[in-house]
Amino acid sequence: DAKTTQPPSMDCAEGRAANLPCNHSTISGNEYVYWYRQIHSQGPQYIIHGLKNNETNEMASLIITEDRKSSTLILPHATLRDTAVYYCIVRVQGAQKLVFGQGTRLTINP
Amino acid sequence: GAVVSQHPSRVICKSGTSVKIECRSLDFQATTMFWYRQFPKQSLMLMATSNEGSKATYEQGVEKDKFLINHASLTLSTLTVTSAHPEDSSFYICSASMTQNGNQPQHFGDGTRLSIL
Repeated sequence: DAKTTQPPSMDCAEGRAANLPCNHSTISGNEYVYWYRQIHSQGPQYIIHGLKNNETNEMASLIITEDRKSSTLILPHATLRDTAVYYCIVRVQGAQKLVFGQGTRLTINP
Repeated sequence: GAVVSQHPSRVICKSGTSVKIECRSLDFQATTMFWYRQFPKQSLMLMATSNEGSKATYEQGVEKDKFLINHASLTLSTLTVTSAHPEDSSFYICSASMTQNGNQPQHFGDGTRLSIL
């Protein structure tokens, strides 16, 4: 699976949009981009995933660049409860393992 | 939907004890479940892949005789930490996927915090 690079930490003001970048420059055509988050002392929570089209659900939006070498997770109106470590993972279609990197520690400030 | 339940949430026991952790998919069938371990301030490390009705596949460096995995049904996998020692103290997390198709998300339990005295 391709490796991902994320900033180790980010801050965002409550109510603002939080934009979390992820670089996956070695991604191949059959790899999906997944985003999970982990709130302290809990298991990871699935957020969203995509292949090449932008995706949106009730939690977030995923913007994937046309060349698929990077993506951005957008939390449109961040709340204090969105403070967590966010993981960007790429996974080959048909494979099952998730390999977690260090993620981005997002802190939402009041 | 897609709820994964893990039990117990916390265990504190003496060195040398064996500890069993259960992972259940509550509203779906999971042919494959995964076990992770997470030390403080670190990321999740995959320990093993648990396949229903067959032997688990362990990641490199994980002792299969130390961490026994049983996946006897489509909704239950268990991890037994045998003869646990203080260095086994960690946060153990399981996950499950509804299908074997790689584009479906895995869903995680809330983890088990194991403390060995």
